[in-house]
Amino acid sequence: EADIYQTPRYLVIGTGKKITLECSQTMGHDKMYWYQQDPGMELHLIHYSYGVNSTEKGDLSSESTVSRIRTEHFPLTLESARPSHTSQYLCASSESGTSAVYNEQFFGPGTRLTVL
Amino acid sequence: KNQVEQSPQSLIILEGKNCTLQCNYTVSPFSNLRWYKQDTGRGPVSLTIMTFSENTKSNGRYTATLDADTKQSSLHITASQLSDSASYICVVSDRGSTLGRLYFGRGTQLTVWP
Repeated sequence: EADIYQTPRYLVIGTGKKITLECSQTMGHDKMYWYQQDPGMELHLIHYSYGVNSTEKGDLSSESTVSRIRTEHFPLTLESARPSHTSQYLCASSESGTSAVYNEQFFGPGTRLTVL
Repeated sequence: KNQVEQSPQSLIILEGKNCTLQCNYTVSPFSNLRWYKQDTGRGPVSLTIMTFSENTKSNGRYTATLDADTKQSSLHITASQLSDSASYICVVSDRGSTLGRLYFGRGTQLTVWP
């Protein structure tokens, strides 16, 4: 099993609250990713990072922000949560390199966020 | 537009039976194709990976095939078990970017009944 962790696993909060979803990996991977997944739908990339101090927005527009101050840590923050943010958030990491195997992304267990 | 389409959307089979899941993609330029298994409430876990030159790959009771000409892949599960109940996601990677962008299908939800 991959060594990538997400906390909390489940979060129910009220509208307007600030939240941070934590993601940590112990594999020393340079690349890290955040995905959003709704039931029965595909994963959508919302943020990614090539390494420390590197962050980029993904394909799906998101009001969340991310930071990458340490290699192993890639937290996602919502300044003011809304019901439309209710979803599952998955964090992943991968090695750098040109070989196909290096593209494998290892996923954390996810955070199920519900905003009331 | 790069897309990954999976069928069927859902499938129910009896324990011990075999099944085959389908994946069609339009991702180009193609790098590799993976099948992931996602248990309810968990993150996806890679089952198999195939590059352009490979047309079959096995992992225990899971056998994946790839036809790069027709851009189709299948995942065959033999002698299904209750623990096979999960969503199976086809993921295609392109080689047109340094990120190695992944394109995800919506998954096939497999339920195995005793």
